[in-house]
Amino acid sequence: DTGVSQNPRHKITKRGQNVTFRCDPISEHNRLYWYRQTLGQGPEFLTYFQNEAQLEKSRLLSDRFSAERPKGSFSTLEIQRTEQGDSAMYLCASSLAGQLSNQPQHFGDGTRLSIL
Amino acid sequence: EDKVVQSPLSLVVHEGDTVTLNCSYEVTNFRSLLWYKQEKKAPTFLFMLTSSGIEKKSGRLSSILDKKELSSILNITATQTGDSAIYLCAVLSNYQLIWGAGTKLIIKP
Repeated sequence: DTGVSQNPRHKITKRGQNVTFRCDPISEHNRLYWYRQTLGQGPEFLTYFQNEAQLEKSRLLSDRFSAERPKGSFSTLEIQRTEQGDSAMYLCASSLAGQLSNQPQHFGDGTRLSIL
Repeated sequence: EDKVVQSPLSLVVHEGDTVTLNCSYEVTNFRSLLWYKQEKKAPTFLFMLTSSGIEKKSGRLSSILDKKELSSILNITATQTGDSAIYLCAVLSNYQLIWGAGTKLIIKP
């Protein structure tokens, strides 16, 4: 399977716990994005990487959220001290970015986070 | 503030009908407009539109961009129950996709 892969598919945890999600992008894609989606809404941008560099982070993103892409391949998204409002689907997408062309973002199946 | 607005929010039609979904945008640094289909999982890419007036087609689905009107439509002809999904419109502004809330399409047999 050469698509975007996310793990775990579901995560249920108690409020206050830390959680970490992983995303493996399509192998030749140099851009990686994290989104959060709640019911009835389009995806909300969280952050994005070009190779290993985190180039942008949403101003709406709490300090409890951190993301890494240490070798420019897979990425992790960590949420510390989870809150009820963090319950959502966390989506990862990747794309191939070049100077002359835009390429569409391709999404993984997401990690559904439920905070008890 | 950048925004993408889709209409209608939901639509129920019978199998075989033709539907038109709308997307309008106000975005600085417009680069392209994308349509995605979302069923139970992640959005699946349908079309990317960059140039105005050029229709993109894939089977029964087609889409066109109007940069003068800052809008796009997605047409689905001869709808089938498998077309039931949320259709999302997003505009690429620099690196970031700005999303509409989606149109929930239900196709009744």
